[in-house]
Amino acid sequence: DTGVSQNPRHKITKRGQNVTFRCDPISEHNRLYWYRQTLGQGPEFLTYFQNEAQLEKSRLLSDRFSAERPKGSFSTLEIQRTEQGDSAMYLCASSYISTNEKLFFGSGTQLSVL
Amino acid sequence: GENVEQHPSTLSVQEGDSAVIKCTYSDSASNYFPWYKQELGKRPQLIIDIRSNVGEKKDQRIAVTLNKTAKHFSLHITETQPEDSAVYFCAASTPWRQLTFGSGTQLTVLP
Repeated sequence: DTGVSQNPRHKITKRGQNVTFRCDPISEHNRLYWYRQTLGQGPEFLTYFQNEAQLEKSRLLSDRFSAERPKGSFSTLEIQRTEQGDSAMYLCASSYISTNEKLFFGSGTQLSVL
Repeated sequence: GENVEQHPSTLSVQEGDSAVIKCTYSDSASNYFPWYKQELGKRPQLIIDIRSNVGEKKDQRIAVTLNKTAKHFSLHITETQPEDSAVYFCAASTPWRQLTFGSGTQLTVLP
């Protein structure tokens, strides 16, 4: 499968713990996005990278969230001191840079904070 | 920032009938409007998109129309089939910016 890959698929954690998710984009794509999706809602933008540079962060991304994309390849999203409100599906997407890009999504990581 | 409103939130149609989902956007600079289909437990998949320099685009049973003056765009699915049942999301973006999604429409095609 040469699509966007995300790991793990599911993560259950206790409130206050740290969690880290990984995304491997389509290899030739230079933009990588993180979105969050809660039940019954559309994906909400969190942040994106162009190559290794993090170009924009949503105000949804509190100080407890950090994302990296070392060497412009895979990306990680870490949530520190998780809260129950962090429970959601975390989606990664990648695209070619252009004025408007077709986003290709991964299957997501479903986070449950108990 | 951009705001995208989508309706209806749920839609049930008989197999073979047409389905229409409508979205409005707020930023007149938006110029790219994709539609994604998400089946239960699966990733959102791009099914059709349109850019602001065209008013309509068709791909087999799926079509999208865009009215830039009114700032709304619609998805039309003809001859619906049970496998069309899914959640459909519209989205909009301005040049060089990220997509803003609507809240989704749960489409159910009844046999």
